[in-house]
Amino acid sequence: EAQVTQNPRYLITVTGKKLTVTCSQNMNHEYMSWYRQDPGLGLRQIYYSMNVEVTDKGDVPEGYKVSRKEKRNFPLILESPSPNQTSLYFCASSLLLADTDTQYFGPGTRLTVL
Amino acid sequence: AQKITQTQPGMFVQEKEAVTLDCTYDTSDQSYGLFWYKQPSSGEMIFLIYQGSYDEQNATEGRYSLNFQKARKSANLVISASQLGDSAMYFCAMREHDMRFGAGTRLTVKP
Repeated sequence: EAQVTQNPRYLITVTGKKLTVTCSQNMNHEYMSWYRQDPGLGLRQIYYSMNVEVTDKGDVPEGYKVSRKEKRNFPLILESPSPNQTSLYFCASSLLLADTDTQYFGPGTRLTVL
Repeated sequence: AQKITQTQPGMFVQEKEAVTLDCTYDTSDQSYGLFWYKQPSSGEMIFLIYQGSYDEQNATEGRYSLNFQKARKSANLVISASQLGDSAMYFCAMREHDMRFGAGTRLTVKP
């Protein structure tokens, strides 16, 4: 089954404790992206990647890191989480970067930073 | 920069009736894609429908249709014959390269 998977689905942590949210897709997509969703703000892009070893900042990259060592995986790293990073996070992928390409989303990771 | 506006934070519709969710966008590009996603209470983002900026016909997918008015820069989603399972958040999005989302509209279908 074609899908984007994220782990964990739920995470409660404390300020300053490094964490990684994994994302994997099995559709051989070139483009992958991370979003955060906050009430009233829709989805805002954190980072994106157009291919292996190619990553770039989105609208809200502060406090996050990513890597793209393999085509299928695009982990999101919070080196020192803070309470304002409490949010619902989505990983997404699409075939390419074209305006015709639909993005397919993972199930989401609900993160709470205390 | 791209901007997507959904002016209806919440909408109510009676079961079996049609409903229109509004979306306007702002871009100076000629080539772009417009998308609608549904987010039920379980949280996942479900792709519903796509419209290309050069498409002359309005997109349709089952009970979903997209009322695309390019000159007015609007891409409204029409859901016909609403069902209780249509109750969800709906997001309009536009893609030139990256995808940008509106703030969403919460639709509630009343029995």
